[in-house]
Amino acid sequence: GQQLNQSPQSMFIQEGEDVSMNCTSSSIFNTWLWYKQDPGEGPVLLIALYKAGELTSNGRLTAQFGITRKDSFLNISASIPSDVGIYFCAGHDTGFQKLVFGTGTRLLVSP
Amino acid sequence: KAGVTQTPRYLIKTRGQQVTLSCSPISGHRSVSWYQQTPGQGLQFLFEYFSETQRNKGNFPGRFSGRQFSNSRSEMNVSTLELGDSALYLCASSSGPGQPQHFGDGTRLSIL
Repeated sequence: GQQLNQSPQSMFIQEGEDVSMNCTSSSIFNTWLWYKQDPGEGPVLLIALYKAGELTSNGRLTAQFGITRKDSFLNISASIPSDVGIYFCAGHDTGFQKLVFGTGTRLLVSP
Repeated sequence: KAGVTQTPRYLIKTRGQQVTLSCSPISGHRSVSWYQQTPGQGLQFLFEYFSETQRNKGNFPGRFSGRQFSNSRSEMNVSTLELGDSALYLCASSSGPGQPQHFGDGTRLSIL
């Protein structure tokens, strides 16, 4: 089945640093979504991308839908302690049959 | 606007029992999807319902089933529970297939 390769698996950074994570797929996706999950809670939608090449921001977060429709990245600028959590990418397959999730990037931020 | 509500939040069962989990979607959302989340397998798609019809199903055994009611609320049922069914079960709703999904906080199921 379709799989999303998400990297890095984990990151440990200092407060104030910028962060970048990405997702790649062997097949084309129609949409890319980025979620953040805190312990004991469900994933929260951060950014949704609908068109190849689209670049979208949400506060300190910026994400892009790759031109090939097989990848996406998420950048977090000027990280703060509350950015700690697990970030997931997800994509809708070409038939909009289901949402496929990446394996997650665990972010730790040191004050 | 109320978010996705899942009940119960925590559940402890023993092997062989069955369990029913409930999900109330965001008002106006007609699509509900269910996922299983475990440390080893990540987020795995179980099934999606839209307008009371199962639209798609993941690779889970027949012990896992679900349904959706006319008010878009959904339930999933797991019969003959196994130890490996211990997981966080997440429900997500959207306005329709292919639209961004919004998640509830899940039901933590533990099998003893």
